Amino acid sequence: QKEVEQDPGPLSVPEGAIVSLNCTYSNSAFQYFMWYRQYSRKGPELLMYTYSSGNKEDGRFTAQVDKSSKYISLFIRDSQPSDSATYLCAQGATNAGGTSYGKLTFGQGTILTVHP
Amino acid sequence: DSGVTQTPKHLITATGQRVTLRCSPRSGDLSVYWYQQSLDQGLQFLIQYYNGEERAKGNILERFSAQQFPDLHSELNLSSLELGDSALYFCASSVAAGNEETQYFGPGTRLLVL
Repeated sequence: QKEVEQDPGPLSVPEGAIVSLNCTYSNSAFQYFMWYRQYSRKGPELLMYTYSSGNKEDGRFTAQVDKSSKYISLFIRDSQPSDSATYLCAQGATNAGGTSYGKLTFGQGTILTVHP
Repeated sequence: DSGVTQTPKHLITATGQRVTLRCSPRSGDLSVYWYQQSLDQGLQFLIQYYNGEERAKGNILERFSAQQFPDLHSELNLSSLELGDSALYFCASSVAAGNEETQYFGPGTRLLVL
């Protein structure tokens, strides 16, 4: 079983739709969570970062973490064609003392297309 | 622009050869991470350096090695290249190590082994 499962899609939505992207993880050591956006042939770009259960909002983006279910989501409101990209969830683990191991474990990425 | 630079952007080489990928972290960042992205494996952590010292190792092959220099730039050396090493190689940097630091990725080096 992979440590992180992410539906690769592809996901195609009309402009203005609400998009929901999801990841599940199995490693309880994962304590902080990120969403990256990657345009074709570019490096991943950090979108959202959170380390606690609950919601975090930034403009049209909301990241949701449920540590009890080991489930994270990214919601995009009023989606735009410029949101078309691959979205990667990433998790970081800490030891018992709260020190980060540094490396990130990524999901496979979900390919999103927003059509006008 | 994340502030992380990587050279070269593209690299085409033959099996059995050796290549060096270079990364300059964001100004002030002490940690450098190397990741490999392939279609079948996704984005996989290879190795981390912090202020010149190896900090963590992931799924890095013995044919691969890395180092971080006093000016904090890093190089990833890939030797005895195989067709399966064709991938995108990303460098990321963060301010520190040992806490929940966000990582900023460079544009990547696309390696094609023929």
